[in-house]
Amino acid sequence: GQQLNQSPQSMFIQEGEDVSMNCTSSSIFNTWLWYKQDPGEGPVLLIALYKAGELTSNGRLTAQFGITRKDSFLNISASIPSDVGIYFCAGQEETSGSRLTFGEGTQLTVNP
Amino acid sequence: DSGVTQTPKHLITATGQRVTLRCSPRSGDLSVYWYQQSLDQGLQFLIQYYNGEERAKGNILERFSAQQFPDLHSELNLSSLELGDSALYFCASSDQYEQYFGPGTRLTVT
Repeated sequence: GQQLNQSPQSMFIQEGEDVSMNCTSSSIFNTWLWYKQDPGEGPVLLIALYKAGELTSNGRLTAQFGITRKDSFLNISASIPSDVGIYFCAGQEETSGSRLTFGEGTQLTVNP
Repeated sequence: DSGVTQTPKHLITATGQRVTLRCSPRSGDLSVYWYQQSLDQGLQFLIQYYNGEERAKGNILERFSAQQFPDLHSELNLSSLELGDSALYFCASSDQYEQYFGPGTRLTVT
C-alpha cells in the first residue's frame, strides 16, 4: 500500500536540542495528522492540520501543513527524554475519503 | 487514554485458525477504522465502518472480515491464519477528521 515519504528515519539527539522531521507525498492531502507511538502502544495524536499553510502548536511541538498540500513538517523544541518514541505523519488524501495513509515513521532517541 | 478499547491485548494462535478482535470506539464516535502494523509494511488501512455500514476498504485480505454492531463496537475476524498475518492490529475511531487509536492487539501466528 502507499505510504508517505517521511524523513529522517531515525534521529539521535542530546536533551535540549530541537528536532525537525517532515513528510512528502505526490498526492494532495486534505488533512495532516502527527502521531507518537511508544513500544507496544497505539499511536497517540499530537497535532492535526486542516488547511494549507496552517501552522499549529501544541506545547513544544509545532507542525505545518504545506502550501502545496503535499507535505508537512513537525518540530519539537527543547527535547526531553520522554520525547523518545516513533513519530508518524498521517494524512487523508483528497481522493481517498477519511482513511489515513501513514509515513514510515521517525525513531527519535534523546540522550540525557 | 484515547477512550478506544481493544481486546484481547495479545493473541497467540496456530496457522489455519480463526480469531476475532474486538474494538469499542470513543463514546459518540460513529466511525471505526481497522489498521494493521507490521515491520515490513508499516501502518496500513484495512477497513472503515460508519454507523454500522461499511464505508471504505483498503488492503484487506479476503480471509479477513469486519462488522460494526448497533452499539457501535466493531469486530475484525481473521481466518485461515498464516504466519505472515502476525502483526499489531489497531482500531481507531473518529467523529470527523481526527482519528484516535486503541492500544492494539498483538497477534502472533505460530
